[in-house]
Amino acid sequence: KQEVTQIPAALSVPEGENLVLNCSFTDSAIYNLQWFRQDPGKGLTSLLLIQSSQREQTSGRLNASLDKSSGRSTLYIAASQPGDSATYLCAVRNNQGGKLIFGQGTELSVKP
Amino acid sequence: EAQVTQNPRYLITVTGKKLTVTCSQNMNHEYMSWYRQDPGLGLRQIYYSMNVEVTDKGDVPEGYKVSRKEKRNFPLILESPSPNQTSLYFCASSFVPLYNEQFFGPGTRLTVL
Repeated sequence: KQEVTQIPAALSVPEGENLVLNCSFTDSAIYNLQWFRQDPGKGLTSLLLIQSSQREQTSGRLNASLDKSSGRSTLYIAASQPGDSATYLCAVRNNQGGKLIFGQGTELSVKP
Repeated sequence: EAQVTQNPRYLITVTGKKLTVTCSQNMNHEYMSWYRQDPGLGLRQIYYSMNVEVTDKGDVPEGYKVSRKEKRNFPLILESPSPNQTSLYFCASSFVPLYNEQFFGPGTRLTVL
């Protein structure tokens, strides 16, 4: 059974720092992996989607990498800003396509 | 505006009183799904639908029903709600689940007394 783990559960950094969020999964047979952002009391916003054949995706200050063989993905945030404060979740889709398994998220706080 | 809408956004009800949470998307997506989010347990998938009249169980389907009679709508039905179904519920949709990102609704906070 696929399990997704995110470490750390919470992270606090000063503004301007570059940071890395980690996501690991137990079954490497995935179709894609997606990173989301969730603001308090709000729904999820998709940040980046990496197909299983891809190694990384970039959007602005965000870069997500995928290493299927080791069951790991990282989300790199460059030059963090207070507006980046939110919970970041990763989710993997299995080969059947229908199911999406989420990690429990990393709560990020960027201090001015 | 492309969006996923859920109604109601907040609901307080009592044990055993049937309820329906509606979900609608205006993006012509084939795939729709329901999740619940609980502290310490994260987001867990309840049911999903690959297309009209096609539904499948996620990881926590017990106590829930769904239907997909139209492409744009995917209601979540609780026939006899219980307090352990108190949670934050999200609906999501996408074009082709294998290759496209999912769009999420704003959430429905349900309390069952």
